[in-house]
Amino acid sequence: NAGVTQTPKFQVLKTGQSMTLQCAQDMNHNSMYWYRQDPGMGLRLIYYSASEGTTDKGEVPNGYNVSRLNKREFSLRLESAAPSQTSVYFCAGKGYNQPQHFGDGTRLSIL
Amino acid sequence: DQQVKQNSPSLSVQEGRISILNCDYTNSMFDYFLWYKKYPAEGPTFLISISSIKDKNEDGRFTVFLNKSAKHLSLHIVPSQPGDSAVYFCAASDRGSTLGRLYFGRGTQLTVWP
Repeated sequence: NAGVTQTPKFQVLKTGQSMTLQCAQDMNHNSMYWYRQDPGMGLRLIYYSASEGTTDKGEVPNGYNVSRLNKREFSLRLESAAPSQTSVYFCAGKGYNQPQHFGDGTRLSIL
Repeated sequence: DQQVKQNSPSLSVQEGRISILNCDYTNSMFDYFLWYKKYPAEGPTFLISISSIKDKNEDGRFTVFLNKSAKHLSLHIVPSQPGDSAVYFCAASDRGSTLGRLYFGRGTQLTVWP
């Protein structure tokens, strides 16, 4: 039982490159979320999907797009990476009346 | 503007003593509060939660207290153990609105020394 799986775990990009971060859950969660964590900033919500087929902006959506491919998968895309997007990205899933369950993160560096 | 605040970036406690981590919030619509624990190179893991209809919730060594009038909650860890050393995030939710969305504080790094 893997829970929430994020790929890749590490990635280095050059400014202007594109990248898709993958997230898959096997916990039958309806809702899924993407966060970024920066030093001293806590976890900030980028986008979320309350259910399959819906997505909504969070606190810091600029520069990102998302796709809820199916109930299991929620991907985050950087179309043109910028150094300010260097961060650790966490995906989370949530079932009814349950707390959010997080993956182990993707560490992304943009040079 | 941050709706959930953890004003202490760090806390250092001796093993066996009590650790008290504090959290304040500004949005009076928040009705569900959680604490997450995070070790380096891992994702946050759920620790304990409390609904606004309660003022205390206990789970083993961990107790969360909620003071709604002060918009303040605290996490007590008794006794503290070296394995408790981690970053602790406070989070809040308005369960009546957008499904499951959490607002996080910036975290408190707890260090428990022997």
